Order: sequence, then C-alpha cells, then structure tokens
Amino acid sequence: GAGVSQSPSNKVTEKGKDVELRCDPISGHTALYWYRQSLGQGLEFLIYFQGNSAPDKSGLPSDRFSAERTGGSVSTLTIQRTQQEDSAVYLCASSFLTGAMYFGPGTRLLVL
Amino acid sequence: RKEVEQDPGPFNVPEGATVAFNCTYSNSASQSFFWYRQDCRKEPKLLMSVYSSGNEDGRFTAQLNRASQYISLLIRDSKLSDSATYLCVVNMRNQGGKLIFGQGTELSVKP
Repeated sequence: GAGVSQSPSNKVTEKGKDVELRCDPISGHTALYWYRQSLGQGLEFLIYFQGNSAPDKSGLPSDRFSAERTGGSVSTLTIQRTQQEDSAVYLCASSFLTGAMYFGPGTRLLVL
Repeated sequence: RKEVEQDPGPFNVPEGATVAFNCTYSNSASQSFFWYRQDCRKEPKLLMSVYSSGNEDGRFTAQLNRASQYISLLIRDSKLSDSATYLCVVNMRNQGGKLIFGQGTELSVKP
C-alpha cells in the first residue's frame, strides 16, 4: 500500500532562498509530524498536526519556518531565507490518532 | 526530567549476545508505546508496538511496566544486522496524544 511520500527527495539551494517541502501522509491518518535530522544527530521535533490544526509548534527553530496542513492531508513545510545551518534531512511521519507513526523517506536539504 | 529517556549508548556486543534497552516515560497516563529502529542515513522504521501483557516477535521481546513507567526491548541471539539505533516512542495524553521519541540508543553488534 501507499506509504508516506515526500518531495523533493533532494534539494540544493542557495543561502537566502525560500524552499518548500511537501509531505503526503498515509490516507486517513489524522496526525502528521515534521522532524529534522542532521548527520549523526538525533531526531529534532519541529511541529505536530492533528487534522489541520497544529497543537504543538514548539520545535520550529525560528520564524523563518512555517508549516501548514490542508484538507487533513498534505502538509508543506516552508523555510524562508534559508541559512546553511538549515541543511539537514527533513522527515515527515503520519499516524492514525495515537497509533504507530510511519515515516517518509525524507527530503535532504543542502543550503550552499 | 525529560518526557522520554533512554539508556545512553553506544552498546557494543558480540554476535549471539542478549542485549536489553530500557526507556522511561514521565506521563503516567500514556497509553501507546512503540520501539523503532533507525539505520544510518535512513528514516526510522517501526520495530514493534508494546502491549500491556508484553509481546514477542522472533528474537525481540517488548515489555511494559506501568507501575515504574518504563518499557524495555530485549534482543536475543543478536545478529550483525541488528546494528542500528533503537528509539522508544510514547504518546503524551497531556499533549493531545502527541508521540514523543526518546533520544535513541546505538547498538553495534561485532563478529
């Protein structure tokens, strides 16, 4: 069956540009999570959606980061004015209520 | 106190060894518990859910101790292919059911 998909799989951008990352969760999953992971580091929580609302945005590192979810499905994570320290793998996961979460393959972002 | 805490790693064990990981959680009302595995440069993958009565899947056994608020993962007869980072996940009922990851424990199985 279809799992979580993310696009693009890789993104190279120049410092100062905006980027948009997309996540398509498993159909019917109510919760959606965004994490990022730098090489050799643990998962860093960014934001959590239940339906279209985000009860927890506490992990967004700065106001350059924003995320939305529409129709209880697709989510986009936008990073404005990218910086080199934004380079990481951005992972999306979805779950049904409080069931197990399933991850997408991630978007590898490199800011030059 | 962190919401979800795991044994610090890394664990270096020989093939065939039995290894156990523990994970403690702070929210006594938590109801969902999971173990994930993450290989280098890959996304985390669900290894197994943890049920109240404990559950087993081949060489892997998961246990839940609600009184002491911890979950455990036992790996018997470890294989080289078990080398990975193991993460526990707990739901936080006081945060709308949000699932929280522990920081992970790295396992390295040597020949």
